Amino acid sequence: GIQVEQSPPDLILQEGANSTLRCNFSDSVNNLQWFHQNPWGQLINLFYIPSGTKQNGRLSATTVATERYSLLYISSSQTTDSGVYFCAVNYGGSQGNLIFGKGTKLSVKP
Amino acid sequence: NAGVTQTPKFQVLKTGQSMTLQCAQDMNHEYMSWYRQDPGMGLRLIHYSVGAGITDQGEVPNGYNVSRSTTEDFPLRLLSAAPSQTSVYFCASSYVGASGEQFFGPGTRLTVL
Repeated sequence: GIQVEQSPPDLILQEGANSTLRCNFSDSVNNLQWFHQNPWGQLINLFYIPSGTKQNGRLSATTVATERYSLLYISSSQTTDSGVYFCAVNYGGSQGNLIFGKGTKLSVKP
Repeated sequence: NAGVTQTPKFQVLKTGQSMTLQCAQDMNHEYMSWYRQDPGMGLRLIHYSVGAGITDQGEVPNGYNVSRSTTEDFPLRLLSAAPSQTSVYFCASSYVGASGEQFFGPGTRLTVL
C-alpha cells in the first residue's frame, strides 16, 4: 500500500521562528490534507491541497503531486502552534479513505 | 452547523463489556468513517460508509461493528471489549468521492481494563 512519511518527527522552536514540515508519499494520490492535532486531541483541518499552493494567515502549504511531496510552512510561530501536524492522503479508490503519516510533533517555546 | 459530533467524550469499560460510540453529522455528507488513534501513531481506518445502508471494512475492522440507517448517524459498536481496543476513536465525514475533504469529530477516549 501507499506509504506516507513525515519529517522531522520532532521539532522544537523558539516563539517567532519559522519552520517547514515535509510529507512524502509513495504513489499517486487524489488529494492530500494537513491537520493540526492540538494538545487537547482535536484534529483541526489546516489545508485540503491535492496540488498547488494555499495560504491561510501564518500558514501555507504546497503540494507537488508529480514529485510526491507536500510542504507545510509555519511562519512567526506561536505557542498555540504546538501539537502534532499530520499529513493524510487519499489514493486510488472512490471511498475517500485517508492514509495518515505518523506526524511531526511541534513544540514552540515562549 | 455543529459539524461532526461524538459521544461520549470518555469511557471506561471492563474486558468483555459491549458499548456503542455515537457519531452524527449535520452537513448532509454521504461518506462517514471511523478511525482509531494509538499513541505515537497516525489514525487508522476501522470501517466506513458511502451512504445509508452501505458499509465496508477498513484497515483494522476486527472487534468492531457498524451500521448506517440514516445519512446523519454512524454508530460504532464494540461487541466484547478487549484491552487492545484502548484507544482514541475519531469519526469523520465528507462528500462521496476521492476528492472529498474530510472533517473530524472531537474524538472518544476509550479505556478497556
